[in-house]
Amino acid sequence: AQSVTQPDIHITVSEGASLELRCNYSYGATPYLFWYVQSPGQGLQLLLKYFSGDTLVQGIKGFEAEFKRSQSSFNLRKPSVHWSDAAEYFCAVGGYFGGGSNYKLTFGKGTLLTVNP
Amino acid sequence: GAVVSQHPSWVICKSGTSVKIECRSLDFQATTMFWYRQFPKQSLMLMATSNEGSKATYEQGVEKDKFLINHASLTLSTLTVTSAHPEDSSFYICSARGDGFEQYFGPGTRLTVT
Repeated sequence: AQSVTQPDIHITVSEGASLELRCNYSYGATPYLFWYVQSPGQGLQLLLKYFSGDTLVQGIKGFEAEFKRSQSSFNLRKPSVHWSDAAEYFCAVGGYFGGGSNYKLTFGKGTLLTVNP
Repeated sequence: GAVVSQHPSWVICKSGTSVKIECRSLDFQATTMFWYRQFPKQSLMLMATSNEGSKATYEQGVEKDKFLINHASLTLSTLTVTSAHPEDSSFYICSARGDGFEQYFGPGTRLTVT
């Protein structure tokens, strides 16, 4: 069955420091991979996505992610974190799971990012 | 582009009553809409997938008679929580998918059942 693992429940970084959020997935076919960000009490905003092609993808707000098939990973990075980046980050894999005909997303449990001034 | 709205953003209802939540894609036609439930400090749990003009597909363990989903048009889906109980209190989020594989999420609806 498909699954997404975000090993870090909570990460704290200082403003201006670099950031890497880890994501590993399990899916039998070529995955569609996403990173979403959620501020408290809000819906999810799409940061970036990977479908095919260049394995380094650029997203909004200065984020990027690299797809590594050999490691089944899709880690999110940002060179310099801003205080406004504090939020919950979700990695997700999209596909047709369980033999069904409906396309759906499976989410990781999320990583809460705290940014210290 | 790709904006999804939800209404209401927050609702309180008494136990035993029904509540309807609307999800609209504002600037695109959504071939498929999804309803999720999120508990505090947890991830999103997919409840059901709805395609315009057809019956929703519910995930295992989700009561279809309790959570009624109607996808009336390419821009509107509704979730009705029937005979709500306190354990139904949660954050409900919808998303919509257009022609691509990404989903665009609404801002969520906080339901509190007293």
